[in-house]
Amino acid sequence: SQTIHQWPATLVQPVGSPLSLECTVEGTSNPNLYWYRQAAGRGLQLLFYSIGIGQISSEVPQNLSASRPQDRQFILSSKKLLLSDSGFYLCAWTRTGLVTEAFFGQGTRLTVV
Amino acid sequence: AQSVTQPDIHITVSEGASLELRCNYSYGATPYLFWYVQSPGQGLQLLLKYFSGDTLVQGIKGFEAEFKRSQSSFNLRKPSVHWSDAAEYFCAVAPNQAGTALIFGKGTTLSVSS
Repeated sequence: SQTIHQWPATLVQPVGSPLSLECTVEGTSNPNLYWYRQAAGRGLQLLFYSIGIGQISSEVPQNLSASRPQDRQFILSSKKLLLSDSGFYLCAWTRTGLVTEAFFGQGTRLTVV
Repeated sequence: AQSVTQPDIHITVSEGASLELRCNYSYGATPYLFWYVQSPGQGLQLLLKYFSGDTLVQGIKGFEAEFKRSQSSFNLRKPSVHWSDAAEYFCAVAPNQAGTALIFGKGTTLSVSS
């Protein structure tokens, strides 16, 4: 069966520090991968998605970047965090070549102080 | 552009009472529709999905949803709510293109009173 792992679960970082959140999927190959950010009362905002290694699409201009160094690994990064980067970050995947449901990781609560 | 609207930000239901959460979508073609549930601090769990066929779909935890094309709606229902159903619920639509991200509504928070 397929599983998705996202870590860390919580993170407190000072303003101006770098960020690296990691997400990996097991049990499938060539998944479509997504990073969402969730703010209270605002639903899920799509940040990045990837349909293959090295292929990243950005939905919203921001202080963040994403990379996909391996087929089932998706990384969300920042060189210098801002207070406004605080939020709940969710990684998700869908099966390749199909319109299907998305499967979500458990999320990372990021607090920038 | 595709969009999903959940008109109710917050709903409170008594335990044992019935529940209906509303969802309206805007999409030109036949939509793929989903309902997810999220407990505090957790990821999203799929409750049910509609791709085609029978417009009344059954999901996990006793939930069901009905697709009504004429009303562009996909409302979630449960006949008897349990305290453990308190959570945030998201409706989503998938554009008919593989790899494209799901589009989510802003969510409805369900509180259950005793």
